[in-house]
Amino acid sequence: EDQVTQSPEALRLQEGESSSLNCSYTVSGLRGLFWYRQDPGKGPEFLFTLYSAGEEKEKERLKATLTKKESFLHITAPKPEDSATYLCAVQAYGNQFYFGTGTSLTVIP
Amino acid sequence: GVTQSPTHLIKTRGQQVTLRCSSQSGHNTVSWYQQALGQGPQFIFQYYRKEENGRGNFPPRFSGLQFPNDSSELNVNALELDDSALYLCASSLDGTGGYTFGSGTRLTVV
Repeated sequence: EDQVTQSPEALRLQEGESSSLNCSYTVSGLRGLFWYRQDPGKGPEFLFTLYSAGEEKEKERLKATLTKKESFLHITAPKPEDSATYLCAVQAYGNQFYFGTGTSLTVIP
Repeated sequence: GVTQSPTHLIKTRGQQVTLRCSSQSGHNTVSWYQQALGQGPQFIFQYYRKEENGRGNFPPRFSGLQFPNDSSELNVNALELDDSALYLCASSLDGTGGYTFGSGTRLTVV
């Protein structure tokens, strides 16, 4: 069964305390893996797309990596404005999309 | 960006509803999602150049249209209480790369 699992469900960090969010996936043919940020009451905001194992992408304090079975979103020296829910999604062959349930990140000043 | 209307809607069980989405300029692919509170979005279907080219595990009473100007509609017939959710529309160019999401329509079925 195709599925995406994210962990942890919730994460509280002190400002400046780096950490990683995990996304493990099981799909029959990966076309792409996406990371999104979602703020309360809003739609997801695109962060990264990764296509193949070994690929890495960076944006400000965020870095996404991909292996054959999982992806990590590394957050370096987070700030309170990084507080949000981070969603992982995969696009499988046949244009099927699967989202995880997200990691709710809270960064405390 | 992507705009959706209306932002909120209340319907009665058994009724029909139409939700609308205007894609980001230049995008030819639109997908729709249902997001229950505290959950990740669930894929309903995707349209590319007015043809459905992907569908999730939703019954046929969920249907859609994509128009020449790349706006689209999600229609839901015979509404059930469990259809209460945030409905999100997202667009992209050729179904590749990242998708741009709208802020959603909050549907409540009573």
